Amino acid sequence: GAVVSQHPSRVICKSGTSVKIECRSLDFQATTMFWYRQFPKQSLMLMATSNEGSKATYEQGVEKDKFLINHASLTLSTLTVTSAHPEDSSFYICSALSGTDTQYFGPGTRLTVL
Amino acid sequence: AQSVTQLDSQVPVFEEAPVELRCNYSSSVSVYLFWYVQYPNQGLQLLLKYLSGSTLVKGINGFEAEFNKSQTSFHLRKPSVHISDTAEYFCAAEIKAAGNKLTFGGGTRVLVKP
Repeated sequence: GAVVSQHPSRVICKSGTSVKIECRSLDFQATTMFWYRQFPKQSLMLMATSNEGSKATYEQGVEKDKFLINHASLTLSTLTVTSAHPEDSSFYICSALSGTDTQYFGPGTRLTVL
Repeated sequence: AQSVTQLDSQVPVFEEAPVELRCNYSSSVSVYLFWYVQYPNQGLQLLLKYLSGSTLVKGINGFEAEFNKSQTSFHLRKPSVHISDTAEYFCAAEIKAAGNKLTFGGGTRVLVKP
């Protein structure tokens, strides 16, 4: 149980385009999901908290207009990187909060912006 | 504010030898503590968690951790490692009743040698 998927697992895009990443909780409902960013050989940095049916809460320093988050259902949150630039290249990981207050993580999405 | 420190960035260990990964946290309030493992290009998998009760917590894959309130530590141990334990390990803390946000340590890379 407690499986979280992400799609796509890997994406390459051109600078200036937008990329959407999906995060799904497959066998449980999650009113809260989290989006993290991980640079090579570094730890995870929380970007935002995604709440079903309401606006996401962004961490300090994260541009909400650049990283659009939508949590339209209890099993799906999406992160859209708008007007992507090479510095946005990173490993993006989502997690979903279970009913036991434990975060279960997705496998991650590697974004490369050319 | 809370912080999590993993004292060792890299731990080389021989197969079938024991390993201990150190984690210290600082927080003025009570926290929940977690250990996650990350295999290359994958998301995080929960190894174990401490919420309350017994200070010795047993997790998956033969790992265990001990919560020490006086030393504000939550060290992870395994009595005999396998090659497959080669991975990155993250300690994380969550302030109780504070929105389930996790603060991660910098990670410890475990390299198991034959």
